[in-house]
Amino acid sequence: DADVTQTPRNRITKTGKRIMLECSQTKGHDRMYWYRQDPGLGLRLIYYSFDVKDINKGEISDGYSVSRQAQAKFSLSLESAIPNQTALYFCATSDANFPEAFFGQGTRLTVV
Amino acid sequence: AQSVTQLDSQVPVFEEAPVELRCNYSSSVSVYLFWYVQYPNQGLQLLLKYLSGSTLVKGINGFEAEFNKSQTSFHLRKPSVHISDTAEYFCAVSENQAGTALIFGKGTTLSVSS
Repeated sequence: DADVTQTPRNRITKTGKRIMLECSQTKGHDRMYWYRQDPGLGLRLIYYSFDVKDINKGEISDGYSVSRQAQAKFSLSLESAIPNQTALYFCATSDANFPEAFFGQGTRLTVV
Repeated sequence: AQSVTQLDSQVPVFEEAPVELRCNYSSSVSVYLFWYVQYPNQGLQLLLKYLSGSTLVKGINGFEAEFNKSQTSFHLRKPSVHISDTAEYFCAVSENQAGTALIFGKGTTLSVSS
C-alpha cells in the first residue's frame, strides 16, 4: 500500500459544484501539504498544516479550503469549482526531522 | 520568504551526453534543498537532497548536485544521460526554521533523444 494515498485519482465535475479531495498517510508525519500542478507553472502551494491544530495558507489559497481531521488525514475542498481550477493536485507529507516531502500519486481534477 | 528559480524550462540533449539543470534560490536564512523527478503520468520522486555537510550530494540514477552558498545555487548534473532520464525535474527549497513549507520551482523538462 502507498504511504500517501489520494482519493479520488481522477474526477470530472461541473462548474459551481462542491468537491472534496482526500489525503491519508501512514508515514506518521506531522506535516501535510496540498499543491496544484499546472503545465509551465510547477507545483504551487495551496495550504499546509504542521499539526492537527495548525492550518496555513499557501501561495494560491483563494477558492480552496482544507480540514485536518487527524494527524493522518488532510482534505482539500473546492467550495464552488470553476474551470481554471482544472489541474493535477498533489498531497505531500514531511516531518520536522526529515524535511523532504513524500508525495501521493495525484488527483487529476477537471472542471467543466 | 524563500523562492526558487529554475533557469531553463526545457533542456534537449542526446543520449550519453552530459547534462546540467540549473537552480537558484533566494532566502535570508539557511536552507534545505531538494531535486525531485516526475516521469510522465507519475507522481514526484525524490532524486537527492542537501540538508547540511558536504556540498556535493549524490542521488539516485547517477545524478548529483552541488550546493553553492555564495551563488545561492543548487545545480543538478549527470555525466551521461539515458533515454529513460526523460522527465520533468523540480528544484525545491525549504528554510531551516520552524513554520516554513517546501517551495518548488517551475520545473525543467529534460528530453533525451538518440
